[in-house]
Amino acid sequence: AQSVTQLDSQVPVFEEAPVELRCNYSSSVSVYLFWYVQYPNQGLQLLLKYLSGSTLVKGINGFEAEFNKSQTSFHLRKPSVHISDTAEYFCAVSEAGITSGSRLTFGEGTQLTVNP
Amino acid sequence: SAVISQKPSRDICQRGTSLTIQCQVDSQVTMMFWYRQQPGQSLTLIATANQGSEATYESGFVIDKFPISRPNLTFSTLTVSNMSPEDSSIYLCSVRVGLHSYEQYFGPGTRLTVT
Repeated sequence: AQSVTQLDSQVPVFEEAPVELRCNYSSSVSVYLFWYVQYPNQGLQLLLKYLSGSTLVKGINGFEAEFNKSQTSFHLRKPSVHISDTAEYFCAVSEAGITSGSRLTFGEGTQLTVNP
Repeated sequence: SAVISQKPSRDICQRGTSLTIQCQVDSQVTMMFWYRQQPGQSLTLIATANQGSEATYESGFVIDKFPISRPNLTFSTLTVSNMSPEDSSIYLCSVRVGLHSYEQYFGPGTRLTVT
């Protein structure tokens, strides 16, 4: 079984500042990792994913994340945030593999609030 | 990716009643899932909707409470039965579009309030 810990429940930042949202996972097998964003009263939108290969993955809206296997982390970063980035961000993990890579386990979420 | 719609988008229901939520995808997908997001919390997988057979439920969720149908590769329904206020949540449908596409895409959710 996998588990995900998002280390910060709330992250307030000022506009144009850099931000890092932290995510650690636990698993006894290889995993796939995902970041999703949820804007108020909306569903989840996929920001980026790590399946294999380069440990630095780039996503939409200027976000990127780095997979660190030794530290079992997948932190999300953006060098300069905008007011429109205010949303809830979820880290998720699934077991790697064609048939088993289906069940997504989510972290508790991080509320990013960008202030002017 | 896939475009996913859910009906209704929100509803207010009385305890003891049932509500059926529909999930429609614009293309055939390999797998469909139902999640629950309780107020201020993260997402929890309810079940995997299997085409033409019984859904696979996660621990803590049972078919009598959350019957699921998936008659084809683009459509699924989730029923929340005999509702209580504790069932007030957002219910989300998600899909995995192909065997080699491991990410899931989510619908906009159905916001359910039980009074």
